[in-house]
Amino acid sequence: GQQVMQIPQYQHVQEGEDFTTYCNSSTTLSNIQWYKQRPGGHPVFLIQLVKSGEVKKQKRLTFQFGEAKKNSSLHITATQTTDVGTYFCSTSGTYKYIFGTGTRLKVLA
Amino acid sequence: DTAVSQTPKYLVTQMGNDKSIKCEQNLGHDTMYWYKQDSKKFLKIMFSYNNKELIINETVPNRFSPKSPDKAHLNLHINSLELGDSAVYFCASSQEYLNTGELFFGEGSRLTVL
Repeated sequence: GQQVMQIPQYQHVQEGEDFTTYCNSSTTLSNIQWYKQRPGGHPVFLIQLVKSGEVKKQKRLTFQFGEAKKNSSLHITATQTTDVGTYFCSTSGTYKYIFGTGTRLKVLA
Repeated sequence: DTAVSQTPKYLVTQMGNDKSIKCEQNLGHDTMYWYKQDSKKFLKIMFSYNNKELIINETVPNRFSPKSPDKAHLNLHINSLELGDSAVYFCASSQEYLNTGELFFGEGSRLTVL
């Protein structure tokens, strides 16, 4: 079945540093979503990208969809302790969302 | 008012027992899902239902039996629990035709099998 890999698996950063997680697929994706899961919480939707080369921003978060629609990235500028959590990419088909392996972010104050 | 609610939040039980998790959504969505999140945080789809009909069954053992009495409810019954069933089970819902890509998750039910 379709698989979506994320790197890195873990990332520790000092507060104020930038952070990037990457999502890769061997097949072309029709869309990509990003979710954040706080420790002990549930995944919460952040954004969806559907167009080749698309870039979207939400405050300190920048999301990109690759030109070939096989990869995506989430970049956080100047991390804060509130950014702690696991970030997942996902891709959806009919009645099915496949999640990436996730990147766990720790922010050291 | 919680959009997707699951009960119970925690279950601790012995191997071989049977347990159920209930899920309800008040968003008016047509599609509901069960996901399993293991200790490594991998989120794996188990089932999806659309308007009470089973759409996806991701090679889940038949000890797991979902039931959707109406489109707002999707319950999960697990027979003969095994150690490997220990995980957090998330219910989710979406409205497919909107194409927003947004899944709404419940808070999760943490199952521990001893």
